[in-house]
Amino acid sequence: DAGVIQSPRHEVTEMGQEVTLRCKPISGHNSLFWYRQTMMRGLELLIYFNNNVPIDDSGMPEDRFSAKMPNASFSTLKIQPSEPRDSAVYFCASSFMGALNTEAFFGQGTRLTVV
Amino acid sequence: DQQVKQNSPSLSVQEGRISILNCDYTNSMFDYFLWYKKYPAEGPTFLISISSIKDKNEDGRFTVFLNKSAKHLSLHIVPSQPGDSAVYFCAGGMDSSYKLIFGSGTRLLVRP
Repeated sequence: DAGVIQSPRHEVTEMGQEVTLRCKPISGHNSLFWYRQTMMRGLELLIYFNNNVPIDDSGMPEDRFSAKMPNASFSTLKIQPSEPRDSAVYFCASSFMGALNTEAFFGQGTRLTVV
Repeated sequence: DQQVKQNSPSLSVQEGRISILNCDYTNSMFDYFLWYKKYPAEGPTFLISISSIKDKNEDGRFTVFLNKSAKHLSLHIVPSQPGDSAVYFCAGGMDSSYKLIFGSGTRLLVRP
């Protein structure tokens, strides 16, 4: 298995532009998570899905952020409009719901820079 | 409200010595805890976990200790190796929700 795949690896965009981050979870996993890593807060959970349904989006910082999971093999995190304070590394992770004490598997992340 | 806290942003140890990374939590509903290791430009990778009903779990050079009364866990690496230099995140998990709450990380440097 190729693991969790995220694209792009790096994104540089101008303030005000729309940014879309993409994620392909591990096949067979039914939970998907979006995290943001910053120096101050470490790994923040933004939103997670179970069986393609958003379960908890309380970590999404503002209405500018939205996430979708149209099917079991694809998810997007969109920021519109983007702002410089959104600059961070965004990670997608997936796991299998149904087992106890389950770890999540992370992608390599997307480094977003908003200038 | 930070449910998982790693109060030491960095730690430096000599190769061959023991590394001890600490983590505190406030949410008594966590069913298990995990440690992840992260190298630059890579995603975090799972290292070791412990169920909340246990107080110790060992895997090779890595041992995690859990003190539920103190709401504290620690990761011991012995002996430490230069390749262990990375950022270590602890996380709490709940079987009811399957989401993981992470701390802010501790950067470990193992000096040759």
